[in-house]
Amino acid sequence: NAGVMQNPRHLVRRRGQEARLRCSPMKGHSHVYWYRQLPEEGLKFMVYLQKENIIDESGMPKERFSAEFPKEGPSILRIQQVVRGDSAAYFCASSPQSSRNTEAFFGQGTRLTVV
Amino acid sequence: GDSVTQMEGPVTLSEEAFLTINCTYTATGYPSLFWYVQYPGEGLQLLLKATKADDKGSNKGFEATYRKETTSFHLEKGSVQVSDSAVYFCALIKLTFGKGITLSVRP
Repeated sequence: NAGVMQNPRHLVRRRGQEARLRCSPMKGHSHVYWYRQLPEEGLKFMVYLQKENIIDESGMPKERFSAEFPKEGPSILRIQQVVRGDSAAYFCASSPQSSRNTEAFFGQGTRLTVV
Repeated sequence: GDSVTQMEGPVTLSEEAFLTINCTYTATGYPSLFWYVQYPGEGLQLLLKATKADDKGSNKGFEATYRKETTSFHLEKGSVQVSDSAVYFCALIKLTFGKGITLSVRP
């Protein structure tokens, strides 16, 4: 059973371009979480999705950022018109259900660098 | 809302020293609590968890006890190794994370 797969592992974008980060959850997992990790700031929750639904996007910036988890295919975190401040590691996690007793499994992250 | 507070880091210890990393939480109800570890260049891995009050999670020599009365879940290890050098995150439901703390163990 493959773990959570994120790609690409490293992504370089120029300012103003779009960044698309992909996350394939573990088999059988229908819940996906996205986090951003900035140096010295720890992990920040961005968005929680189930298949075809955004459950909680309270951590998403209001502009330029969007996320989806379609019925088929991976979850996508999309950043439009990237700026230098978007440079960070973005982690995806998945779980089989949303409950207070379920741990999530993490991918290895996508490290975005905006130049 | 739910929150997790970790002690300020980084922490530097000598090999075989005793480790305590403090974590306190604020949450409604009785969440499960987790410690995750992140090795350099890697994603997060679950280290241990506890699902109810007075439960003790343990793994790889690390332990943490779910203390409802003090709303704490401190991580401890009796004798750290160089290979324990990593960033440690305390977390609770919906995976609300503390800021993480960097541990460096000197040989």
